[in-house]
Amino acid sequence: DVKVTQSSRYLVKRTGEKVFLECVQDMDHENMFWYRQDPGLGLRLIYFSYDVKMKEKGDIPEGYSVSREKKERFSLILESASTNQTSMYLCASSLWAGTGNTEAFFGQGTRLTVV
Amino acid sequence: GDSVTQMEGPVTLSEEAFLTINCTYTATGYPSLFWYVQYPGEGLQLLLKATKADDKGSNKGFEATYRKETTSFHLEKGSVQVSDSAVYFCALSVTHGSSNTGKLIFGQGTTLQVKP
Repeated sequence: DVKVTQSSRYLVKRTGEKVFLECVQDMDHENMFWYRQDPGLGLRLIYFSYDVKMKEKGDIPEGYSVSREKKERFSLILESASTNQTSMYLCASSLWAGTGNTEAFFGQGTRLTVV
Repeated sequence: GDSVTQMEGPVTLSEEAFLTINCTYTATGYPSLFWYVQYPGEGLQLLLKATKADDKGSNKGFEATYRKETTSFHLEKGSVQVSDSAVYFCALSVTHGSSNTGKLIFGQGTTLQVKP
């Protein structure tokens, strides 16, 4: 079974803190994604990565950065947390699209609260 | 740009009722289409998919047909159960650019509540 593991289920951080959300997948997938999920807005793509050290901005990258130093790990960084970043964060991974199979596998999510 | 529109929820049904959740999309190229389900307190999991026009995806009694002429991928189930209560997301994947990533674009989600 494909497994995508997010380091925390729940986090509470203070405004202005630097926050790291970690995600690890065990299926040697090329692609990894970070989404945030908010009621009524669905899932919005923050950043994605298609290879080690490669990244592209998604639809809402402002206030976030990412790091992919190893193929299995993709980190989301909130440089200076703000209350409007309180949300559910979902990590996902998938094979390279050239395989014709773009099904994504998701982690359990991290519910982040910024106070 | 590429986008997905789902019918607004919540949808409330009695057990054994027929379910339809509408989904339409806009995309350049030839997308793959997906339905994901999120049960309370869990992450998303794939429910079904279709990769080309006229394909029918099916799983656990749910079905959806890829309709290119109407750019739709409506989710249906003939008889829902209480255990089907969840949030359902329609999504598309289109390969773009040199990265060939195939990123997923989601609709806003539809909450289904099934009452006994």
